[in-house]
Amino acid sequence: AQSVTQLDSHVSVSEGTPVLLRCNYSSSYSPSLFWYVQHPNKGLQLLLKYTSAATLVKGINGFEAEFKKSETSFHLTKPSAHMSDAAEYFCVVSDQPGRRALTFGSGTRLQVQP
Amino acid sequence: DTGVSQNPRHKITKRGQNVTFRCDPISEHNRLYWYRQTLGQGPEFLTYFQNEAQLEKSRLLSDRFSAERPKGSFSTLEIQRTEQGDSAMYLCASSRPGTSLTDTQYFGPGTRLTVL
Repeated sequence: AQSVTQLDSHVSVSEGTPVLLRCNYSSSYSPSLFWYVQHPNKGLQLLLKYTSAATLVKGINGFEAEFKKSETSFHLTKPSAHMSDAAEYFCVVSDQPGRRALTFGSGTRLQVQP
Repeated sequence: DTGVSQNPRHKITKRGQNVTFRCDPISEHNRLYWYRQTLGQGPEFLTYFQNEAQLEKSRLLSDRFSAERPKGSFSTLEIQRTEQGDSAMYLCASSRPGTSLTDTQYFGPGTRLTVL
């Protein structure tokens, strides 16, 4: 069975400092991995996705993530946080052949302090 | 794209009542998904349609839940005899035609259900 574990439920950073949101996955197959962001009262938005091409994936708004198979990790980073980055972030896995269901982690709430 | 739309955005109902939610996917997206998100958790998959065919159903989708997509466009999700445990955000997503399992799912804003 596939699963994702987001290691931090809350992360707080100061504006202009780096962001690191951690995600470990468990998969029996070659996974596809995603990061989605959810702002209050808005729909989930895809930040980036990994689909077995380049292991370093660049997404929108300056975010990127690196797929590390040996560590079963897919951590999300951004060099410099902006106030508008404050939101809930979800690590997501899809790996089961023939199935389209996404499996979400429990989320990490990012706070950005001025 | 005008985005995935869901109606209503909020629904308050009394235990035992039936409720129905509607999802309009992005035009020309032939795949449609329903998820449920409870407070403090990530979304959980409920069911998936390709055109009008319901191809996947989660064990979470009890007999009280039924989803339809009669003409392969909009979809409805009905919950019969609601229970307090049904209180959640119900999310709809759609994706475009293709063979890749990594097609991006575009999510709507959700319908928040509160069962009193």
